[in-house]
Amino acid sequence: GAGVSQSPSNKVTEKGKDVELRCDPISGHTALYWYRQSLGQGLEFLIYFQGNSAPDKSGLPSDRFSAERTGGSVSTLTIQRTQQEDSAVYLCASSSRTEYEAFFGQGTRLTVV
Amino acid sequence: ELKVEQNPLFLSMQEGKNYTIYCNYSTTSDRLYWYRQDPGKSLESLFVLLSNGAVKQEGRLMASLDTKARLSTLHITAAVHDLSATYFCAGRVGQFYFGTGTSLTVIP
Repeated sequence: GAGVSQSPSNKVTEKGKDVELRCDPISGHTALYWYRQSLGQGLEFLIYFQGNSAPDKSGLPSDRFSAERTGGSVSTLTIQRTQQEDSAVYLCASSSRTEYEAFFGQGTRLTVV
Repeated sequence: ELKVEQNPLFLSMQEGKNYTIYCNYSTTSDRLYWYRQDPGKSLESLFVLLSNGAVKQEGRLMASLDTKARLSTLHITAAVHDLSATYFCAGRVGQFYFGTGTSLTVIP
């Protein structure tokens, strides 16, 4: 596709359930990032994948959060045993070695009830 | 860790006026980025500043970079309502480090 695609766009889940958020980066982009943004807040870094290198997981807030990137392309962010404080917009972005900026997807709005 | 600070956090300005948003960062970043976010939307790239003294302009927005001072500015000229949005600056060391954002409201 032409841009970064995220699915679902909205997700409402019950507290304690697991959720999976998907990100399809721009084709050929080697770097992929996950951020989250709470209402009216800035961007909180979660995890960064660069090519075949080990991902930078330093931003994951707890061991309930994990992410993988298969075949250097699609990424899935998994949140286990969701809590209300996990409610936020989860943003995925990708960038290439030759381009400079990161291009963001439209985000997944997660609401934990 | 790269720390990025923006000010002001909130900016309300009248149409036709000029103003500047400031972005300070703590350590060397390979480039400096500016993004725009409209309410309920994702981030849109505005500028990438590559080196010291870089200046880029798009319409009523002009961004500059002073790597010695570790300062970037986003200057708004003759503001119009359509510029109302939140503006983020970011540095990059591996991941992108974002400032807290400046919420700009342009009042008719």
